[in-house]
Amino acid sequence: EVHLVESGGGLVQPGRSLRLSCAASGFLFGNYGMHWVRQAPGKGLEWVSSIEWNSRRILYADSVKGRFTISRDDAKSSLYLQMNSLRPEDTAFYYCVKAAVHGASIHWFDPWGQGTLVTVSS
Amino acid sequence: QSVLTQPPSVSGAPGQTVTISCTGSSSNIGAGHDVHWYQQLPGSAPRLLIYVNKNRPSGVPDRFSGSKSDTSASLAISGLRAEDEADYYCQSYDSSLSGSYVFGTGTKVTVL
Repeated sequence: EVHLVESGGGLVQPGRSLRLSCAASGFLFGNYGMHWVRQAPGKGLEWVSSIEWNSRRILYADSVKGRFTISRDDAKSSLYLQMNSLRPEDTAFYYCVKAAVHGASIHWFDPWGQGTLVTVSS
Repeated sequence: QSVLTQPPSVSGAPGQTVTISCTGSSSNIGAGHDVHWYQQLPGSAPRLLIYVNKNRPSGVPDRFSGSKSDTSASLAISGLRAEDEADYYCQSYDSSLSGSYVFGTGTKVTVL
């Protein structure tokens, strides 16, 4: 069974940095693209960033481009999101999500982790 | 910013059928990109409900069905049950600029 467990969330002041981690298990991590999706409390889903299985294609939402960096460590079956220059509007649950299938150039998301809450406030 | 538009809410009595629309544009659904649907129960993470327009993952009841046409897609829930009360989101890919994944605005389904 696939498991995705996020960590690293918490309360952080505006302008500071935070690094999220996602520990994956139950599948061959290095074969799949991975994504981060966030959801502000009481709001809808917003795609944040994606990284292909071979790290050759990385995408970011305009709202985080230049501030967030996605990366992966296949040896550790882990996905990361380095978040710099955080803003109050970055406050959200951040979900680690697996690409549903290997080999597709455009993904759908399955499964999702349980999420980690990031709160940006002074 | 969502580029796929859904109705904020739909409701129906148990046993009825409700339909949720997902309207996009020529750079996403209209460009031929597939649509996927997710269900988010209260207090839970989203789960995949429909993939590639009309396919159900194992474990998803056949009461859920999806379709896609031109620049829009739809999710139908037939034989509505109390446990279907949740938020539903469509998702696709947008090929404008460098490309991005996009979600719908979300629809709250209420079982009366």
